Amino acid sequence: QQQVKQSPQSLIVQKGGISIINCAYENTAFDYFPWYQQFPGKGPALLIAIRPDVSEKKEGRFTISFNKSAKQFSLHIMDSQPGDSATYFCAATDSPGNTPLVFGKGTRLSVIA
Amino acid sequence: NAGVTQTPKFRVLKTGQSMTLLCAQDMNHEYMYWYRQDPGMGLRLIHYSVGEGTTAKGEVPDGYNVSRLKKQNFLLGLESAAPSQTSVYFCASSYSLADVTDTQYFGPGTRLTVL
Repeated sequence: QQQVKQSPQSLIVQKGGISIINCAYENTAFDYFPWYQQFPGKGPALLIAIRPDVSEKKEGRFTISFNKSAKQFSLHIMDSQPGDSATYFCAATDSPGNTPLVFGKGTRLSVIA
Repeated sequence: NAGVTQTPKFRVLKTGQSMTLLCAQDMNHEYMYWYRQDPGMGLRLIHYSVGEGTTAKGEVPDGYNVSRLKKQNFLLGLESAAPSQTSVYFCASSYSLADVTDTQYFGPGTRLTVL
């Protein structure tokens, strides 16, 4: 399976700041890029997702930016809150869904007051 | 709807023992998955199923077997547990694999320790 490389491994952000998590991929056939959020002791849950036909998708304080030529995508959390403290996973898969999601290794975000 | 449930929540095994983890979903999903999560390693796919009676290998299938006898259940078996299988195991399901926008719904996890 093709890898999805995620960075940083951990991130500490002040309350109200912007959290940025980056992912890069190699497989140009990937065309669906979701982000999952996982709170301690819980299973991951879908947060937001993007297809490569748009360069940005925003849902509330969460924004995905997508750069097809660089094969990179990132998650931006605006006005970060302590309740956003969680592990975030980027993922990717191809169309028409020949393979299951390939996950990045995760970023542990801590938002401190 | 209960969503995706996993049994048991915790388990401690001795090396060489066997056990079965049960995953159940009540969303009539076609696709089910087993992942393991280890610190710094993210989520790694063990096996998955695209429908009742079918299974396929994921990224790290060695040492595990699976069965999907009923659409709503996906079982993960460890025939002879090893300390390297100490991990948190997550089951997930989705409506289909072909529709790539389908969300994977995860269970709460099973924490397994092999001594």
